[in-house]
Amino acid sequence: AQSVTQPDIHITVSEGASLELRCNYSYGATPYLFWYVQSPGQGLQLLLKYFSGDTLVQGIKGFEAEFKRSQSSFNLRKPSVHWSDAAEYFCAVDNESEKLTFGTGTRLTIIP
Amino acid sequence: DTGVSQDPRHKITKRGQNVTFRCDPISEHNRLYWYRQTLGQGPEFLTYFQNEAQLEKSRLLSDRFSAERPKGSFSTLEIQRTEQGDSAMYLCASSFGPAANSNQPQHFGDGTRLSIL
Repeated sequence: AQSVTQPDIHITVSEGASLELRCNYSYGATPYLFWYVQSPGQGLQLLLKYFSGDTLVQGIKGFEAEFKRSQSSFNLRKPSVHWSDAAEYFCAVDNESEKLTFGTGTRLTIIP
Repeated sequence: DTGVSQDPRHKITKRGQNVTFRCDPISEHNRLYWYRQTLGQGPEFLTYFQNEAQLEKSRLLSDRFSAERPKGSFSTLEIQRTEQGDSAMYLCASSFGPAANSNQPQHFGDGTRLSIL
């Protein structure tokens, strides 16, 4: 069965600093990978997706993610965070089973 | 694109009561999904529809839960005889075709938060 691991439950970053959120997946073939962001009391907004091709994908709000097959990872990055980036971030995988499997999320706190 | 709409946003009910939630997907989307999210966890898949056909149900969906999408447009999720453990955020998502084939990911609504007293 497919699974997603987000090893960091909570990360605190200073405004303007760089950010990397980790995501590891378990699946036999190349999965379809997603990052979503969730603000308190809200639904999930898609940041970016990887289906195939270039392993470095660009998303909205200045985020990017890199697919590394050898490490089974799909880490999310941003060069300079803004206070508005504070939220919960979820990595998800779709193995063509027509449903998403999510990680447990990483809560991002931004300090001035 | 008006997005996925869910109603109500919040529902508070007593244990043992029945509740029904509604989801209106993005209009051209033929697939509709329901997920449940408990505090501190990621969403968990419950069920999904392609048009009006319910194609898969998770084992999380006990016999107290039923979902319908009668005309292939909006969907309802009903929970009968609610229990404390049903307290969660219920999220609806929609997409056009299978994500893997159509390059169309799932778009989520803002959810219905259910609280059981």
